[in-house]
Amino acid sequence: GAVVSQHPSWVICKSGTSVKIECRSLDFQATTMFWYRQFPKQSLMLMATSNEGSKATYEQGVEKDKFLINHASLTLSTLTVTSAHPEDSSFYICSARGLAGVNNEQFFGPGTRLTVL
Amino acid sequence: SQQGEEDPQALSIQEGENATMNCSYKTSINNLQWYRQNSGRGLVHLILIRSNEREKHSGRLRVTLDTSKKSSSLLITASRAADTASYFCAPQGGKLIFGQGTELSVKP
Repeated sequence: GAVVSQHPSWVICKSGTSVKIECRSLDFQATTMFWYRQFPKQSLMLMATSNEGSKATYEQGVEKDKFLINHASLTLSTLTVTSAHPEDSSFYICSARGLAGVNNEQFFGPGTRLTVL
Repeated sequence: SQQGEEDPQALSIQEGENATMNCSYKTSINNLQWYRQNSGRGLVHLILIRSNEREKHSGRLRVTLDTSKKSSSLLITASRAADTASYFCAPQGGKLIFGQGTELSVKP
C-alpha cells in the first residue's frame, strides 16, 4: 500500500516559537493532502485541505494565519504552527490522496505529537 | 464531506470473543474505510469497501456495507488483547471526516 511519512514524529517547543511539520507521500503523487488535529481522547478534526500548487482550504474555526500550509510539490506538504502556545499542543496527522480517480483512497501518516511548553 | 458515526462508543469483551462495531452515515459515498488507532499512535488503515460491494474480508476482519441503509459494520472475529484500540469508520464522498470512534477493550 501507499506510504505517507511525517517528520518529526514528536517535537517540544517553547511558547511563541514556530514549528514546521512535513508530510510526504513516499511512493505516489498526492494531488490532495489533508491535515487533522487530535486532542487526547477525542476524534480527528479536519483542519485543512491542500491541493498541490494552490492555497489550502481551511475548515471553519481554523486560523489560516496561525496554521500555514504549503503544498509545493506532489509529494510534500508542510504545516507550520506559528507562534505556538500550549493550547496548540496536540497530535497532528496528515493524509494524502492520489490521482486514481473518484474512488481513490486516502492514506495517513503516523502523526506528529507537538508539545508547547 | 460527511461524518461517520460509530456505535457503540465503547465495547469491552473477553479474548476470543467476536467484536462488532457499526457505522452510519448520511449521504452517498464512493467508498467507506475503517481505521484503527492505538493509544497515542497514528491511524492504521484496515479495509476499504467500495459502494458497489456488500461484504469484504481481510484476515479476521469482516466488513459489510448496506448503502440502502447507509450503514456499515466491522466484525473482528476471535479477538485478541492486541486488538484493543479505537476504531473509526470514514465514509468517503469527498473529504474524510471522522466520528468519535468505538473504543474496543479486549481483556485477556
